[in-house]
Amino acid sequence: KAGVTQTPRYLIKTRGQQVTLSCSPISGHRSVSWYQQTPGQGLQFLFEYFSETQRNKGNFPGRFSGRQFSNSRSEMNVSTLELGDSALYLCASSLAASAQQETQYFGPGTRLLVL
Amino acid sequence: AQSVSQHNHHVILSEAASLELGCNYSYGGTVNLFWYVQYPGQHLQLLLKYFSGDPLVKGIKGFEAEFIKSKFSFNLRKPSVQWSDTAEYFCAVNARTGFQKLVFGTGTRLLVSP
Repeated sequence: KAGVTQTPRYLIKTRGQQVTLSCSPISGHRSVSWYQQTPGQGLQFLFEYFSETQRNKGNFPGRFSGRQFSNSRSEMNVSTLELGDSALYLCASSLAASAQQETQYFGPGTRLLVL
Repeated sequence: AQSVSQHNHHVILSEAASLELGCNYSYGGTVNLFWYVQYPGQHLQLLLKYFSGDPLVKGIKGFEAEFIKSKFSFNLRKPSVQWSDTAEYFCAVNARTGFQKLVFGTGTRLLVSP
């Protein structure tokens, strides 16, 4: 079974631009979560989607948004990029919406550099 | 709100040495507990997990962890490390009653010298 895939793997943008990252979950997984990983803040939860609905959101500004499609694929968008948005963005998928004995499996990440 | 503390930020060991990485969490309810590992240049991989039952759980590559509820701890252990264990290790928790939201510790960078 193929793992979580993320595209693109690397991205360079300039301040003020916007970016869209894509995530395809493991086949059959319906929950997709996004995390930001930086050296200073570590791994932080962005949001989680299940059945095209955002079920949970972390403490990030409204410039960070996402969506999920009917095939469970998910995208996240960051508008008006700032230097501090440079990070590794990780997507994780799991079978169900609740946290009851569920395990999240991570993709390789998209490394975003904002200049 | 949940929080996770990993006490060791950097650990350097020689091959065959024993390893114990500390993890403490703060949350009043029932949690699921995880250890993930990130090898150099690779993505985050599940090492082991605890949901319920036997508090001593075994994972891949000879790792184990013990959940001690009274201490809110979930320490990772390996009796004899190898050079290939060089990686960053993350402890994570999520609340059993909520939706999917992992709260991670800051990570421990382990360097194993041959």
